[in-house]
This record gives sequence, structure tokens and C-alpha cells, in this order.
Amino acid sequence: DAGVIQSPRHEVTEMGQEVTLRCKPISGHDYLFWYRQTMMRGLELLIYFNNNVPIDDSGMPEDRFSAKMPNASFSTLKIQPSEPRDSAVYFCASSLGRQEFGYGYTFGSGTRLTVV
Amino acid sequence: AQKVTQAQTEISVVEKEDVTLDCVYETRDTTYYLFWYKQPPSGELVFLIRRNSFDEQNEISGRYSWNFQKSTSSFNFTITASQVVDSAVYFCALSEAIDNFNKFYFGSGTKLNVKP
Repeated sequence: DAGVIQSPRHEVTEMGQEVTLRCKPISGHDYLFWYRQTMMRGLELLIYFNNNVPIDDSGMPEDRFSAKMPNASFSTLKIQPSEPRDSAVYFCASSLGRQEFGYGYTFGSGTRLTVV
Repeated sequence: AQKVTQAQTEISVVEKEDVTLDCVYETRDTTYYLFWYKQPPSGELVFLIRRNSFDEQNEISGRYSWNFQKSTSSFNFTITASQVVDSAVYFCALSEAIDNFNKFYFGSGTKLNVKP
């Protein structure tokens, strides 16, 4: 299995521009998560999906952030308009959600976003 | 209160020294899982180990060992004979079942510097 695939690995954009981050989860995993990592706040859960449906988006910082999962093999996280404080590493992760399996998350390699 | 506390923000050791990374967790669940992840300088998050709450046996994998003690709610990680390649940020995580789903709580991470 290729693991969780994120693109791009690095993104540099100007303030005010739209940014789209992409994620392909592991085939068969029914949960998908978007995390943001910063020095100040560590790993923050932004949103997660179950079977392509958004379940909890309470971690999304503001309306400028949106996430979609149109099918089981693809998800996007969009920031519009982007701001310098959005600069962070964004991770996508997927898992089999059943507690009794006790699966950990498999993380993608992350997208390092820099907004200038 | 934090669910997972990693009190050591940063540790520096000299190669071949042993080092222990502390993790204290808080939960009311009787069934839960504990994890350690490694984040090397390249940035990806790598799964190291998963333990369930019913298995308090210590585990050893090569130079790595984990000490799980429910009585003190701790899940400490020891690296024996540390090597420069062990330099990374290490995250401890707790997984609780919420609506049949593993919700993860990550600690703030411990940065380990292993000097030659």
C-alpha cells in the first residue's frame, strides 16, 4: 500500500490567494482527518470525515477554511483567502475507526504551507 | 486539563546514552489505547507502538522499550544506547472510543537531540 498521499509537499503562496491541499487516504480506511501543526499549538485536529461525511469540524479555525471529501479516495482542504498566520504543516491521516481494532492513524507526509 | 502530558519539551543527550521520554495521560475510559509516534527532521509522523489498556506488559523492540503503568497513568518510552538518528520529536497519544470511533489526543511532543 502506498500509504496516505498528500500533495503538494510544499506550498508558498501570497496572502489573499486561495490554497488547496490534497489527500488520498489508504484504500479501505473509513476515517480521514486533517491536522495542522505549528510550534505554538502543536498538532490540532481541524476536521474529520467518516465514510466521506464530515463529522466534526469544530477545529476549523474560521470560515476561510473548508474541507471536502467527494469520494472515498480523495479529500481537499481549502483556505480562501490565505493569511500569513495560516503558515503551518498540514497533515492528512486515515484510519479504520472501530475502537476494538485499536488502529492508530496513518499520516501522510504533510504539506508545508508558507503564506507570505 | 490536558489528556496527554509530555512534560519534557526538549532533551539533549550524547550518543550511546540511555534516555527516557515521559508520557502521562488522563482518561475515564476502561478501554483505551496508547501510542507513540516519531517525527524526524524530515517531518513525517511515523507510528512506533500501540498498547491497549488491558495489556500492561512492558514491550521491547530493539533499542526501544515502553513502560506502561496504569497505576500512575504513564506510558514512558526509553531509548537504549541512543544514536544520532534517534534525533526527532516524539509524540505520545491517547485513543478513546467516542461513538465507536478512536478519537486521538496528542501530547505536545518531546524533542530529542542526540549529539555525536
